[in-house]
Amino acid sequence: QSALTQPHSVSGSPGQSVTISCAGTSSDVGTYNHVSWYQQHPGKAPKLILYDVIKRPSGVPDRFSGSKSGQTASLTISGLQAEDEADYYCCSYAAGYPHWVFGGGAKLTVL
Amino acid sequence: QVQLVESGGDLVKPGGSLRLSCVASGFTFSDYYMSWIRQAPGKGLEWVSYIGGTTYPIYFPESLKGRFSISRDNAKNSLYLQINSLRVEDTAVYYCAMSGTRTDPTRAFDIRGQGTMVTVSS
Repeated sequence: QSALTQPHSVSGSPGQSVTISCAGTSSDVGTYNHVSWYQQHPGKAPKLILYDVIKRPSGVPDRFSGSKSGQTASLTISGLQAEDEADYYCCSYAAGYPHWVFGGGAKLTVL
Repeated sequence: QVQLVESGGDLVKPGGSLRLSCVASGFTFSDYYMSWIRQAPGKGLEWVSYIGGTTYPIYFPESLKGRFSISRDNAKNSLYLQINSLRVEDTAVYYCAMSGTRTDPTRAFDIRGQGTMVTVSS
């Protein structure tokens, strides 16, 4: 059982927006603004797409955005494209052990 | 170009040991905090270890303390993960990652390599 809770799957049509939620607790998401998101295509390594809730690494399109409210963080992908079909993982810095916790991952299907 | 190249993964029997390596290039390695992340076949991501820019701090999940150790050699731009008393459940792809700097501690994992596969089986 993962420490952060994500939906198993989400879907959307090209051009639409989708939001993936990441529910944590007061020990992680609720306290720290160190939430990160990772995109992973089949057979590939995970790629960092957001960190510190809202920051995008260089080269990540601004179609990817993040937010946080209380103990839940969210990743929104706008203007869905076929290449966005992938698994998405959230992660949060946490108090005590373990220091970082991941969500179980959400599979995004572009219809 | 930033690169992280992991190596050292192998098929080992339960109870065995392995030392994984990660060679960095394209950035000032000693400035960066580094981490190891793993992913079991068909499963999600799991944080394994973290080390500061020199030697400290060092963090592990409570469940891995005692069997795992992390180290770095800044002169060789290299990060290491020693795993002892290997268990079947340690089977996974192990990735090294950049985790920010002293001035920008991102507390995230920037993975730039393809990982190295560790298989524990009798």
